[in-house]
Amino acid sequence: SQQGEEDPQALSIQEGENATMNCSYKTSINNLQWYRQNSGRGLVHLILIRSNEREKHSGRLRVTLDTSKKSSSLLITASRAADTASYFCARPNFGNEKLTFGTGTRLTIIP
Amino acid sequence: EPEVTQTPSHQVTQMGQEVILRCVPISNHLYFYWYRQILGQKVEFLVSFYNNEISEKSEIFDDQFSVERPDGSNFTLKIRSTKLEDSAMYFCASVEGGIYGYTFGSGTRLTVV
Repeated sequence: SQQGEEDPQALSIQEGENATMNCSYKTSINNLQWYRQNSGRGLVHLILIRSNEREKHSGRLRVTLDTSKKSSSLLITASRAADTASYFCARPNFGNEKLTFGTGTRLTIIP
Repeated sequence: EPEVTQTPSHQVTQMGQEVILRCVPISNHLYFYWYRQILGQKVEFLVSFYNNEISEKSEIFDDQFSVERPDGSNFTLKIRSTKLEDSAMYFCASVEGGIYGYTFGSGTRLTVV
């Protein structure tokens, strides 16, 4: 399978704590993307990291990429109740072809 | 911020009926996609569309499915004879070209009864 796999599948933390989600993939990439999905809603693009980047920040989000291990992680710092959602990593096949999504991490922030 | 718009948000249809799901991608985007997500499962690729033709399709996208860009702005997904297992959220997405994140619509929840 070329699909990414996230772990953990589910994560519950207290508001204010940091949440870390991991993603592994099997084939070469030129970029990897993270998306959020609130329950029953559409996917929202959070951050994109290119294959020649190791770390990227956007607000409270920090993404790392290790191409040698074919893995990425998404860190959400100082979590808020509104961060409760499913988070997916996704990678496009060679340019702008289809995005292949991972299985997702369901994050629950406990107020 | 530009959005991808999908209509309807929810459609209920009888098994065997035809449905058309509609999408208005972002105007300067060049690549268009349909995905689906069965409840509780992962997001699955259906089809990609570029330069007015299908560039790739998945095994799910069989002869019952078709896509069109009838007027240069709308992008439609048609299911000719719906089955119970077609019940899912269907998402349209577009991307400008180059290395950018994809913009997804809010989805159409299709329920086949």
